[in-house]
Amino acid sequence: KAGVTQTPRYLIKTRGQQVTLSCSPISGHRSVSWYQQTPGQGLQFLFEYFSETQRNKGNFPGRFSGRQFSNSRSEMNVSTLELGDSALYLCASSLRTGGLITEAFFGQGTRLTVV
Amino acid sequence: AQKITQTQPGMFVQEKEAVTLDCTYDTSDPSYGLFWYKQPSSGEMIFLIYQGSYDQQNATEGRYSLNFQKARKSANLVISASQLGDSAMYFCAMRETLYNQGGKLIFGQGTELSVKP
Repeated sequence: KAGVTQTPRYLIKTRGQQVTLSCSPISGHRSVSWYQQTPGQGLQFLFEYFSETQRNKGNFPGRFSGRQFSNSRSEMNVSTLELGDSALYLCASSLRTGGLITEAFFGQGTRLTVV
Repeated sequence: AQKITQTQPGMFVQEKEAVTLDCTYDTSDPSYGLFWYKQPSSGEMIFLIYQGSYDQQNATEGRYSLNFQKARKSANLVISASQLGDSAMYFCAMRETLYNQGGKLIFGQGTELSVKP
């Protein structure tokens, strides 16, 4: 079956612009989590969506937001981009959000460069 | 507070030899899961292996095994018979089950493994 699909793979944006990233989870998976990866901070949790509801949120400013659709696809939006938002954004797909989770599969990521 | 510690920023191993990547963790949650991921230069995070805190046996998946020492709070990844394609960053991650009601993973800083021919 198809894996986790993230689009686009690469993005170049200008400071002050906004950007929307997309993540399609594995079929049947209802939980989508987003992570930011930078050389300095490593992998940091942004937020998680399950059944169209945000379940968890990391320590990121309100410029970072997301949503999930009824088909479990999720989008992440960053407004008023800053140079420090340049990063690899990864999404992870899991069957459920609570209880025993033994697998979490990631997409290939979207590499965002802010100039 | 840092909850996942990977003390080896980089490691070298000879092809066909075994290698151990260290991971220690800190949690007061009695129920948790530990994950290992491989990240090649392409950026994709590839799931390798999972160990639950209540699992009695060490997890194994092909050439990957997890040396789980609960009392020492360590979850080292062992890769047997290293291959050139194993060269990548390796991340240890933890998910707390009771204190974290969602799917949030906490990651270590990673170990860069280089396999030499």
